[in-house]
Amino acid sequence: SQTIHQWPATLVQPVGSPLSLECTVEGTSNPNLYWYRQAAGRGLQLLFYSVGIGQISSEVPQNLSASRPQDRQFILSSKKLLLSDSGFYLCAWSDAYEQYFGPGTRLTVT
Amino acid sequence: AQSVAQPEDQVNVAEGNPLTVKCTYSVSGNPYLFWYVQYPNRGLQFLLKYITGDNLVKGSYGFEAEFNKSQTSFHLKKPSALVSDSALYFCAVRDLNYGQNFVFGPGTRLSVLP
Repeated sequence: SQTIHQWPATLVQPVGSPLSLECTVEGTSNPNLYWYRQAAGRGLQLLFYSVGIGQISSEVPQNLSASRPQDRQFILSSKKLLLSDSGFYLCAWSDAYEQYFGPGTRLTVT
Repeated sequence: AQSVAQPEDQVNVAEGNPLTVKCTYSVSGNPYLFWYVQYPNRGLQFLLKYITGDNLVKGSYGFEAEFNKSQTSFHLKKPSALVSDSALYFCAVRDLNYGQNFVFGPGTRLSVLP
């Protein structure tokens, strides 16, 4: 069966520090991969999605970037965090129909 | 463009009563429709989907949803609510004519009161 992992589960970082969040998927190949941010426990904001290695589409101009170095690995990065980057970050993958979510990373920028 | 509306920020229902969480959508092609549930500090969990076929879809934990094409709605229902159903519920749509993205509604917080 398919499994999606995210780490770390929680992270507290100072303003101006770098960020790297990792997401990996097991049990499937060539998945579509997504990064979302959720603020204040409400709506999801799509940040990036990828249909293949090295193929990244950005949905919202911002302080973040994404990379997909391997088929089942998706990384969210920032060179310098802002206070507004705080939130709950969710990775997801999809097949032909459904989307499946990871457990999320709670990022607090102080 | 695709869009999803969940007109209620909050739904309160007494335990044992039926519940409905509303969702309407807008797509240009044939929609794939989904409901997800989120518990605090957790990822979204899939509840059910409509792809094609019977308009009444049954899903996990006793939930069901009815696809209504004329009203462009996909309301989530459960005959008898449990306190443990209290969570944040998201409706989502996917239109493959517009690529790989899923569009999510803003979410509805369901509180089931004992």
